[in-house]
Amino acid sequence: DIQMTQSPSSLSASVGDRVTITCRASQGISRYLNWYQQKPGKAPKLLIYAASSLQSGVPSRFSGSGSGTHFTLIISSLQPEDSATYFCQQSQGTFGGGTKVEIK
Amino acid sequence: QVQLQQSGPGLVRPSRTLSLTCAISGDSVSSNSAAWNWIRQSPSRGLEWLGRTYYRSKWSTEYALSVQSRITIHPDTSKNQFSLQLTSVTPEDTAVYYCSRDDFTTGAALDYWGQGTLVTVSS
Repeated sequence: DIQMTQSPSSLSASVGDRVTITCRASQGISRYLNWYQQKPGKAPKLLIYAASSLQSGVPSRFSGSGSGTHFTLIISSLQPEDSATYFCQQSQGTFGGGTKVEIK
Repeated sequence: QVQLQQSGPGLVRPSRTLSLTCAISGDSVSSNSAAWNWIRQSPSRGLEWLGRTYYRSKWSTEYALSVQSRITIHPDTSKNQFSLQLTSVTPEDTAVYYCSRDDFTTGAALDYWGQGTLVTVSS
């Protein structure tokens, strides 16, 4: 199985900050990488698919990049409602361990 | 708008079979562009993709290696739903179980999710 490793596991940032989350695959997965946001007690919500495509309805402050084994999710200007846990996932397969984002 | 409604027991005895159903509205289980997935989440294992079923001129299933010997995902075209069966459960199978859709148009990302069902394996 391909392993997905996220970093950091948690972070604390202020409203308006630029936040970067990294996901690494144990082997190349081209651009078959998705990002999800999960709030407590809720199902994950798709943010980004195919590494960089913004899902319909998702604010444009979210963006994704990368290919092969190294991927990045960026929140350009952190908002209070962005407090959540973020997961990467190789399409049709394993998830990363998650990054918990807290607002200072 | 696609909606997925999960049903099934929240408590399963050890060594028994876990069974959950996911009813689909706004799409078809027989869609040629969608696939229907089960995922679970626990504090010890995180988010774990379990498997999926899909129709592309014939029915196919794919399962995670970790549960391959114990899992069945089955479509029910008459009720537009799909089901999960996991046999010989242990307390390690305690988790929140989700059904979800992936679609060709989003590169097989999981774009719609059920509400989740907490399943506890305990005697």
